[in-house]
Amino acid sequence: SQTIHQWPATLVQPVGSPLSLECTVEGTSNPNLYWYRQAAGRGLQLLFYSVGIGQISSEVPQNLSASRPQDRQFILSSKKLLLSDSGFYLCAWSLTSGHTDTQYFGPGTRLTVL
Amino acid sequence: AQKITQTQPGMFVQEKEAVTLDCTYDTSDQSYGLFWYKQPSSGEMIFLIYQGSYDEQNATEGRYSLNFQKARKSANLVISASQLGDSAMYFCAMREGRDSNYQLIWGAGTKLIIKP
Repeated sequence: SQTIHQWPATLVQPVGSPLSLECTVEGTSNPNLYWYRQAAGRGLQLLFYSVGIGQISSEVPQNLSASRPQDRQFILSSKKLLLSDSGFYLCAWSLTSGHTDTQYFGPGTRLTVL
Repeated sequence: AQKITQTQPGMFVQEKEAVTLDCTYDTSDQSYGLFWYKQPSSGEMIFLIYQGSYDEQNATEGRYSLNFQKARKSANLVISASQLGDSAMYFCAMREGRDSNYQLIWGAGTKLIIKP
Protein backbone atom coordinates (compact mmCIF):
# COMPACT_ATOMS: atom_id res chain seq x y z
CA SER A 1 0.00 0.00 0.00
CA GLN A 2 1.04 3.58 -0.50
CA THR A 3 2.26 5.84 2.27
CA ILE A 4 3.30 9.46 2.31
CA HIS A 5 5.74 11.00 4.76
CA GLN A 6 6.45 14.60 5.64
CA TRP A 7 9.07 16.08 7.89
CA PRO A 8 9.55 17.82 10.08
CA ALA A 9 6.19 17.71 11.80
CA THR A 10 6.71 21.05 13.50
CA LEU A 11 9.11 23.89 12.76
CA VAL A 12 9.75 27.28 14.31
CA GLN A 13 11.98 29.55 12.24
CA PRO A 14 13.05 33.19 12.46
CA VAL A 15 12.15 35.65 9.74
CA GLY A 16 14.78 35.67 7.01
CA SER A 17 15.96 32.12 7.60
CA PRO A 18 15.84 29.43 4.90
CA LEU A 19 13.31 26.62 4.73
CA SER A 20 13.30 23.08 3.47
CA LEU A 21 10.31 20.77 3.88
CA GLU A 22 10.46 17.28 2.50
CA CYS A 23 7.78 14.90 1.30
CA THR A 24 8.27 11.33 0.13
CA VAL A 25 5.83 8.77 -1.18
CA GLU A 26 6.25 4.99 -0.96
CA GLY A 27 4.48 2.20 -2.75
CA THR A 28 3.73 3.84 -6.07
CA SER A 29 5.51 5.12 -9.17
CA ASN A 30 5.26 8.39 -11.08
CA PRO A 31 2.73 10.01 -8.78
CA ASN A 32 1.47 13.53 -9.17
CA LEU A 33 2.68 15.53 -6.17
CA TYR A 34 1.26 18.64 -4.56
CA TRP A 35 2.17 21.21 -1.92
CA TYR A 36 -0.66 23.01 -0.14
CA ARG A 37 -0.71 25.65 2.57
CA GLN A 38 -3.51 26.06 5.08
CA ALA A 39 -3.80 29.17 7.22
CA ALA A 40 -5.39 28.73 10.64
CA GLY A 41 -9.13 28.01 10.32
CA ARG A 42 -9.07 28.25 6.54
CA GLY A 43 -9.25 26.00 3.50
CA LEU A 44 -6.37 24.74 1.39
CA GLN A 45 -4.34 26.82 -1.04
CA LEU A 46 -2.47 24.94 -3.75
CA LEU A 47 1.12 26.17 -3.96
CA PHE A 48 2.84 23.78 -6.39
CA TYR A 49 2.15 20.58 -8.24
CA SER A 50 4.37 18.22 -10.20
CA VAL A 51 3.52 15.56 -12.77
CA GLY A 52 7.07 14.22 -13.05
CA ILE A 53 10.72 14.63 -12.11
CA GLY A 54 11.86 18.20 -12.65
CA GLN A 55 8.36 19.33 -13.70
CA ILE A 56 6.98 21.94 -11.32
CA SER A 57 3.96 24.18 -11.78
CA SER A 58 3.44 27.14 -9.49
CA GLU A 59 -0.03 28.30 -8.67
CA VAL A 60 0.65 31.26 -6.44
CA PRO A 61 3.46 33.84 -6.81
CA GLN A 62 5.28 33.84 -3.53
CA ASN A 63 8.43 33.51 -1.54
CA LEU A 64 8.53 29.74 -1.95
CA SER A 65 9.87 27.28 -4.51
CA ALA A 66 9.52 23.56 -5.04
CA SER A 67 11.70 20.86 -6.52
CA ARG A 68 11.29 17.21 -7.41
CA PRO A 69 14.74 15.65 -7.55
CA GLN A 70 13.44 12.08 -7.54
CA ASP A 71 10.23 10.42 -8.67
CA ARG A 72 8.75 10.16 -5.19
CA GLN A 73 10.38 13.13 -3.47
CA PHE A 74 8.98 16.64 -3.35
CA ILE A 75 10.72 19.50 -1.57
CA LEU A 76 9.37 22.90 -0.59
CA SER A 77 11.98 25.60 -0.04
CA SER A 78 12.49 29.24 0.72
CA LYS A 79 15.66 31.31 0.80
CA LYS A 80 14.24 33.85 3.26
CA LEU A 81 11.11 33.21 5.27
CA LEU A 82 8.48 35.90 5.83
CA LEU A 83 6.02 36.14 8.70
CA SER A 84 3.25 35.44 6.20
CA ASP A 85 4.80 32.04 5.41
CA SER A 86 3.50 30.69 8.73
CA GLY A 87 0.90 27.99 8.30
CA PHE A 88 0.23 24.30 7.96
CA TYR A 89 1.88 22.74 4.92
CA LEU A 90 0.43 19.60 3.42
CA CYS A 91 1.90 17.37 0.76
CA ALA A 92 -0.35 15.13 -1.31
CA TRP A 93 -0.07 12.56 -4.09
CA SER A 94 -2.39 11.19 -6.76
CA LEU A 95 -2.23 8.93 -9.79
CA THR A 96 -3.31 10.17 -13.19
CA SER A 97 -4.20 6.65 -14.21
CA GLY A 98 -6.63 6.36 -11.33
CA HIS A 99 -10.31 6.70 -12.10
CA THR A 100 -10.87 9.45 -9.61
CA ASP A 101 -7.49 11.25 -9.38
CA THR A 102 -8.05 11.22 -5.62
CA GLN A 103 -5.41 13.11 -3.70
CA TYR A 104 -3.99 11.51 -0.55
CA PHE A 105 -2.35 13.67 2.03
CA GLY A 106 0.60 13.43 4.35
CA PRO A 107 0.52 14.33 8.06
CA GLY A 108 1.59 17.94 7.43
CA THR A 109 4.20 20.34 8.78
CA ARG A 110 3.21 23.15 11.09
CA LEU A 111 5.49 26.12 10.38
CA THR A 112 5.71 29.15 12.64
CA VAL A 113 7.81 32.08 11.50
CA LEU A 114 8.74 34.50 14.30
CA ALA B 1 -18.31 33.49 -7.68
CA GLN B 2 -17.50 30.67 -5.30
CA LYS B 3 -17.01 27.38 -7.07
CA ILE B 4 -17.51 25.33 -3.89
CA THR B 5 -19.79 26.60 -1.15
CA GLN B 6 -20.13 25.09 2.28
CA THR B 7 -22.76 27.15 4.04
CA GLN B 8 -22.37 25.67 7.53
CA PRO B 9 -19.29 27.04 9.27
CA GLY B 10 -20.07 24.91 12.32
CA MET B 11 -22.46 22.22 13.48
CA PHE B 12 -23.25 20.56 16.79
CA VAL B 13 -24.84 17.11 16.62
CA GLN B 14 -25.81 14.61 19.28
CA GLU B 15 -23.89 11.35 19.25
CA LYS B 16 -25.59 8.55 17.27
CA GLU B 17 -27.66 10.97 15.20
CA ALA B 18 -27.22 11.27 11.45
CA VAL B 19 -25.45 14.36 10.09
CA THR B 20 -25.77 16.10 6.74
CA LEU B 21 -23.01 18.49 5.69
CA ASP B 22 -23.93 20.74 2.79
CA CYS B 23 -21.87 21.38 -0.32
CA THR B 24 -22.93 23.15 -3.50
CA TYR B 25 -20.72 23.58 -6.51
CA ASP B 26 -20.57 25.61 -9.68
CA THR B 27 -19.10 24.32 -12.93
CA SER B 28 -19.89 24.35 -16.62
CA ASP B 29 -17.94 21.16 -17.26
CA GLN B 30 -19.83 17.95 -17.97
CA SER B 31 -17.10 15.79 -16.48
CA TYR B 32 -16.08 16.56 -12.92
CA GLY B 33 -15.48 14.87 -9.60
CA LEU B 34 -16.51 15.73 -6.08
CA PHE B 35 -14.58 14.77 -2.96
CA TRP B 36 -15.09 14.96 0.78
CA TYR B 37 -12.20 15.07 3.22
CA LYS B 38 -12.06 14.99 7.01
CA GLN B 39 -9.46 16.96 8.95
CA PRO B 40 -9.24 16.10 12.67
CA SER B 41 -7.40 18.34 15.09
CA SER B 42 -4.16 16.49 14.30
CA GLY B 43 -4.25 18.20 10.90
CA GLU B 44 -4.03 15.26 8.53
CA MET B 45 -6.45 15.48 5.61
CA ILE B 46 -8.29 12.16 5.29
CA PHE B 47 -10.09 11.21 2.07
CA LEU B 48 -13.64 10.01 2.76
CA ILE B 49 -15.64 9.62 -0.42
CA TYR B 50 -15.74 10.43 -4.13
CA GLN B 51 -18.59 11.06 -6.59
CA GLY B 52 -18.07 11.32 -10.32
CA SER B 53 -20.40 13.45 -12.39
CA TYR B 54 -21.34 10.48 -14.55
CA ASP B 55 -21.88 8.10 -11.65
CA GLU B 56 -25.53 7.15 -11.66
CA GLN B 57 -25.66 6.02 -8.07
CA ASN B 58 -24.79 7.96 -4.94
CA ALA B 59 -21.42 6.99 -3.54
CA THR B 60 -21.25 5.15 -0.22
CA GLU B 61 -18.31 4.22 2.01
CA GLY B 62 -19.27 2.62 5.29
CA ARG B 63 -21.08 5.23 7.39
CA TYR B 64 -20.48 7.90 4.77
CA SER B 65 -22.73 8.52 1.81
CA LEU B 66 -22.91 11.31 -0.69
CA ASN B 67 -26.30 12.74 -1.59
CA PHE B 68 -25.57 13.81 -5.16
CA GLN B 69 -28.22 16.01 -6.79
CA LYS B 70 -26.76 16.95 -10.13
CA ALA B 71 -29.52 19.30 -11.28
CA ARG B 72 -29.22 21.27 -8.05
CA LYS B 73 -25.41 21.05 -8.13
CA SER B 74 -25.24 19.79 -4.62
CA ALA B 75 -23.11 17.02 -3.11
CA ASN B 76 -24.00 16.74 0.54
CA LEU B 77 -22.13 14.36 2.83
CA VAL B 78 -24.27 12.20 5.10
CA ILE B 79 -22.73 10.54 8.15
CA SER B 80 -24.96 7.92 9.71
CA ALA B 81 -24.88 7.08 13.42
CA SER B 82 -22.37 9.77 14.34
CA GLN B 83 -19.55 9.01 16.76
CA LEU B 84 -17.41 11.21 18.98
CA GLY B 85 -14.49 10.52 16.66
CA ASP B 86 -16.36 12.20 13.82
CA SER B 87 -15.67 15.59 15.39
CA ALA B 88 -13.45 17.36 12.86
CA MET B 89 -13.38 19.84 10.00
CA TYR B 90 -14.95 18.54 6.80
CA PHE B 91 -14.01 19.87 3.38
CA CYS B 92 -15.78 19.48 0.07
CA ALA B 93 -13.62 19.73 -3.07
CA MET B 94 -14.13 19.53 -6.83
CA ARG B 95 -12.00 18.52 -9.77
CA GLU B 96 -13.22 20.06 -13.01
CA GLY B 97 -12.87 18.25 -16.31
CA ARG B 98 -10.23 15.73 -17.23
CA ASP B 99 -7.57 18.26 -18.23
CA SER B 100 -7.82 20.48 -15.20
CA ASN B 101 -4.10 20.34 -14.42
CA TYR B 102 -5.03 18.19 -11.47
CA GLN B 103 -6.26 21.04 -9.33
CA LEU B 104 -8.87 20.59 -6.67
CA ILE B 105 -11.10 23.52 -5.79
CA TRP B 106 -11.79 23.56 -2.06
CA GLY B 107 -14.65 24.78 0.07
CA ALA B 108 -14.07 26.70 3.30
CA GLY B 109 -15.02 23.72 5.43
CA THR B 110 -17.54 22.86 8.13
CA LYS B 111 -16.51 22.26 11.73
CA LEU B 112 -18.51 19.34 13.11
CA ILE B 113 -18.70 18.73 16.83
CA ILE B 114 -20.37 15.58 18.12
CA LYS B 115 -21.84 15.93 21.61
CA PRO B 116 -21.92 12.90 23.95
